[in-house]
Amino acid sequence: LAKTTQPISMDSYEGQEVNITCSHNNIATNDYITWYQQFPSQGPRFIIQGYKTKVTNEVASLFIPADRKSSTLSLPRVSLSDTAVYYCLVGEGTGTASKLTFGTGTRLQVTL
Amino acid sequence: ETGVTQSPTHLIKTRGQQVTLRCSSQSGHNTVSWYQQALGQGPQFIFQYYREEENGRGNFPPRFSGLQFPNYSSELNVNALELDDSALYLCASSQSGLPYEQYFGPGTRLTVT
Repeated sequence: LAKTTQPISMDSYEGQEVNITCSHNNIATNDYITWYQQFPSQGPRFIIQGYKTKVTNEVASLFIPADRKSSTLSLPRVSLSDTAVYYCLVGEGTGTASKLTFGTGTRLQVTL
Repeated sequence: ETGVTQSPTHLIKTRGQQVTLRCSSQSGHNTVSWYQQALGQGPQFIFQYYREEENGRGNFPPRFSGLQFPNYSSELNVNALELDDSALYLCASSQSGLPYEQYFGPGTRLTVT
């Protein structure tokens, strides 16, 4: 079971770039790294997923070093609406069976 | 494209009662997972259904059971409700082959008194 560790909370000002790092020292060969965002009283929302190196989409970038023991979610120029809890997950299982294991996440607070 | 929907939105039950929560998966998704989220915690995996069969289970007792129907919608049943079952219950759907990209519904807030 690959456990993840991420900061409990982070603060940022609007317009700044935010980097949230997650460590997953026991990641398995077949595991993917996935990040979710959750607003209060809503279900989590898939942000980005990667296996190695760098992945970028319209919302964020995900940086994964060669040893895959950590990953960094990068949010460019955050706004107030990015205030949420961000979860780093390591995918378990293969094929159709995937048990997402959520930790307590990183609570990001964005202010003016 | 219709997203994941859940019903009811809120529910209040008494200890010892039984409850059924419902979930409609996103169009094109054949896999449904259920999660329990206590206040201030991350979601905890209950179980997953793929093609109407249970396809993985978390550390929850047998009084938590489920069903998936041919249209891929799903139900979560909880018997003999306990106070600690009070939580947000989340349903997530995904496509086979993309198991890590799950789309969550808004959840059902269950309060057990």
